[in-house]
Amino acid sequence: SQQGEEDPQALSIQEGENATMNCSYKTSINNLQWYRQNSGRGLVHLILIRSNEREKHSGRLRVTLDTSKKSSSLLITASRAADTASYFCATDAFAGGGNKLTFGTGTQLKVEL
Amino acid sequence: DVKVTQSSRYLVKRTGEKVFLECVQDMDHENMFWYRQDPGLGLRLIYFSYDVKMKEKGDIPEGYSVSREKKERFSLILESASTNQTSMYLCASSFRGISYEQYFGPGTRLTVT
Repeated sequence: SQQGEEDPQALSIQEGENATMNCSYKTSINNLQWYRQNSGRGLVHLILIRSNEREKHSGRLRVTLDTSKKSSSLLITASRAADTASYFCATDAFAGGGNKLTFGTGTQLKVEL
Repeated sequence: DVKVTQSSRYLVKRTGEKVFLECVQDMDHENMFWYRQDPGLGLRLIYFSYDVKMKEKGDIPEGYSVSREKKERFSLILESASTNQTSMYLCASSFRGISYEQYFGPGTRLTVT
């Protein structure tokens, strides 16, 4: 089952605008992570926010986490054409002898010049 | 830099063939993972391993098996490939424990005809 569900599924904006993506999940988490995937490539880790944190920044990225609503948002400020990619949230949980991530279905972001 | 490599970028196999997908990481990570990615379904975990010779089923293990004889190498095996196993396969690795990011390989696009 999909733990994380991103919204919207697709987003198209102009360069310089901000892009906001949302993620909802269903069960308790240790942390929530965001990843980026350029077309046809592997995923790259962007940022991790722990369950006891509410907001985190990294460069042009801002992530918020609301555990009461089981939701997170990723904001990319001053977007660039190079930000065009798919973005996935992933929630972390223990399973067996280790921890595993459960990924959502992703938001496809297109930044146009 | 962490490096996760996968044996092939593109692979074409026939129905019924036995298929091996290899993944190697060079960062001494305890955890290794195999996902498949399909349009509209996001990443789904097939199997993961948190130590040599240890394996745990993910969300969709049917039709797959894995092998981890050495810490740096994790193999995914399709015993008898079927057309519904046509997909992008992604390998990842991470340190064991919570709050660790996963590092992904570039992916193998497998087509079963």
